[in-house]
Amino acid sequence: DIQMTQSPSSLSASVGDRVTIACRASQSIGNNLNWYQQKPGKAPNLLIHVATRLQSGVPPRFSGSGSGTDFTLTISTLQPEDFATYHCQQSFGTPPTFGQGTKVEIK
Amino acid sequence: QVLLQESGPGLVKPSETLSLTCTVSGYSINSGYFWGWIRQPPGKGLEWIGSILNSGTTYYNPSLRSRITVSMDTSQNQFFLKLSSVTAADTAVYFCSREVGGTTVDYWGQGTLVTVSS
Repeated sequence: DIQMTQSPSSLSASVGDRVTIACRASQSIGNNLNWYQQKPGKAPNLLIHVATRLQSGVPPRFSGSGSGTDFTLTISTLQPEDFATYHCQQSFGTPPTFGQGTKVEIK
Repeated sequence: QVLLQESGPGLVKPSETLSLTCTVSGYSINSGYFWGWIRQPPGKGLEWIGSILNSGTTYYNPSLRSRITVSMDTSQNQFFLKLSSVTAADTAVYFCSREVGGTTVDYWGQGTLVTVSS
């Protein structure tokens, strides 16, 4: 299986901050990388697919970059509703696998 | 709008079979897409379990393949998960999902907690 490693595991930030979350694949996955946001007690929600494409309805303060093995999710200006856990997922190999998640907490 | 809703027992005894149903509304599962299951143990990350196409073709996580069956009933617009010989390690929130290409989840159920305990 392709292993996905996110960093950091958690971070504290303030409203208005720029936040960056990294995701590394154990082998090259091209641009086959998705990002999801999950709030406590809820299902994840697709934010970005194929590394850079914003899912319909997702605010443009979210952006994704990267290819191959290294990827980044950026929130340009953190809003109160963005405090959540973020998961990356590779959609290149079977089974599709997820990172362990990055929890974004209020500083 | 596509809605998915899981249903099934919240408590299963060790060595027994976990059975869940996902009822879909707003889209006919016979029209396409993959329909799948993902789980999340308490406080942990997400694990893809498996999925099924409208043709009935199934795709399973190799780590669970020997214990899982995913099936569907297009007349009821439902699909199902069976996980046999469960242990405490199978305790998790189980989500049903619509998957693009069998991987990217664009719609999720709300999730249902299944606890394995005697």
